[in-house]
Amino acid sequence: NAGVTQTPKFRILKIGQSMTLQCAQDMNHNYMYWYRQDPGMGLKLIYYSVGAGITDKGEVPNGYNVSRSTTEDFPLRLELAAPSQTSVYFCATHRGGGDPTNTGELFFGEGSRLTVL
Amino acid sequence: AQSVTQLDSHVSVSEGTPVLLRCNYSSSYSPSLFWYVQHPNKGLQLLLKYTSAATLVKGINGFEAEFKKSETSFHLTKPSAHMSDAAEYFCVVSVPGTASKLTFGTGTRLQVTL
Repeated sequence: NAGVTQTPKFRILKIGQSMTLQCAQDMNHNYMYWYRQDPGMGLKLIYYSVGAGITDKGEVPNGYNVSRSTTEDFPLRLELAAPSQTSVYFCATHRGGGDPTNTGELFFGEGSRLTVL
Repeated sequence: AQSVTQLDSHVSVSEGTPVLLRCNYSSSYSPSLFWYVQHPNKGLQLLLKYTSAATLVKGINGFEAEFKKSETSFHLTKPSAHMSDAAEYFCVVSVPGTASKLTFGTGTRLQVTL
């Protein structure tokens, strides 16, 4: 049972390049999130999805795009990478729904560390 | 609107002594509150949560937190620190029923010395 899997773990990009961070989950959770973590800043929400085919912007969506064609996958696309996008990116999932057994817990991947030079 | 403030960016304790990590929150609604732990180069893991049941919440690894509405606080404590507790800790507030409305604190780095 892998949980939340993020790839790649590390990547260096040049300014202006594009790339996709992959996130896959095997828990059949409805909700998926992308956060970025910068030193001393906590986690900021980039995009989230409440189910396949549904996505919405978070707090810091500029420079990113997402899609959710399946329950399992939630890729994050960086277009025209900029140094300001140097960060650690975390994908997370949440079961969602009103199920009383739902703990409200987020399940995180181990992160993707991106450097833009 | 909601917000969370972690009052200390860095806390250092000796092994075997108590741990106190402070968190104050602000929320227009009855909040859910969480503490997550992040070990180096790892994702975040849930320590404990408060969702309007018992105000004293027990979590994993001997940690607990008390929800104090009058003080708008949710401080994390542990009676005796262990070297393995060294990590970054995040306080999180959310409004139930809203998928995106999770607000993270800026984190407290806990150092445990011999």
